[in-house]
Amino acid sequence: EADIYQTPRYLVIGTGKKITLECSQTMGHDKMYWYQQDPGMELHLIHYSYGVNSTEKGDLSSESTVSRIRTEHFPLTLESARPSHTSQYLCASSALGGHGGELFFGEGSRLTVL
Amino acid sequence: GENVGLHLPTLSVQEGDNSIINCAYSNSASDYFIWYKQESGKGPQFIIDIRSNMDKRQGQRVTVLLNKTVKHLSLQIAATQPGDSAVYFCAEQRLGSNYKLTFGKGTLLTVNP
Repeated sequence: EADIYQTPRYLVIGTGKKITLECSQTMGHDKMYWYQQDPGMELHLIHYSYGVNSTEKGDLSSESTVSRIRTEHFPLTLESARPSHTSQYLCASSALGGHGGELFFGEGSRLTVL
Repeated sequence: GENVGLHLPTLSVQEGDNSIINCAYSNSASDYFIWYKQESGKGPQFIIDIRSNMDKRQGQRVTVLLNKTVKHLSLQIAATQPGDSAVYFCAEQRLGSNYKLTFGKGTLLTVNP
């Protein structure tokens, strides 16, 4: 089992609220990722990080932001949530070096914006 | 654009049969491929990977085949069990992509008892 944790698992909030999705891993991985996944659909990369103080935008444009102040922590923030942000957000990590290799995923945070 | 996609969105098999899940990719620069299994309400789990210098790789009850000529990837599951019911995604990584994985659309595998 991968040691990567996401909270909250489920979140229902109103439009305009600020939310932060937490992601932590205890494997010491340098690389971390956020993917967005709608039900029954593929995963789209929205943010990634290669280490502390490194953050990059992914392939899918997102209004969310991320930070990487500590190796083990990669939170995602939405300043003002909208119904279009309703989705599942999956955090992942992998070891640096060679190919990206195996990504270890968290259980996901399912966000519903009313 | 370049993408990774699946031939069939759903697959239904009888318990004990072999399952084959297919995936097509369009970028010849893709050099590393992974199959993931995602059960309902969970994050994807690694199943097996293969590098582009290989044609076949076997794991426990699973085999991945790579045909670079037609840019096709398949996952074979032997003696499919009810616990194999899940969505299966293929993902590819390209040289120079900074280790990013691009995921395909997924195939829902249903195993009938």
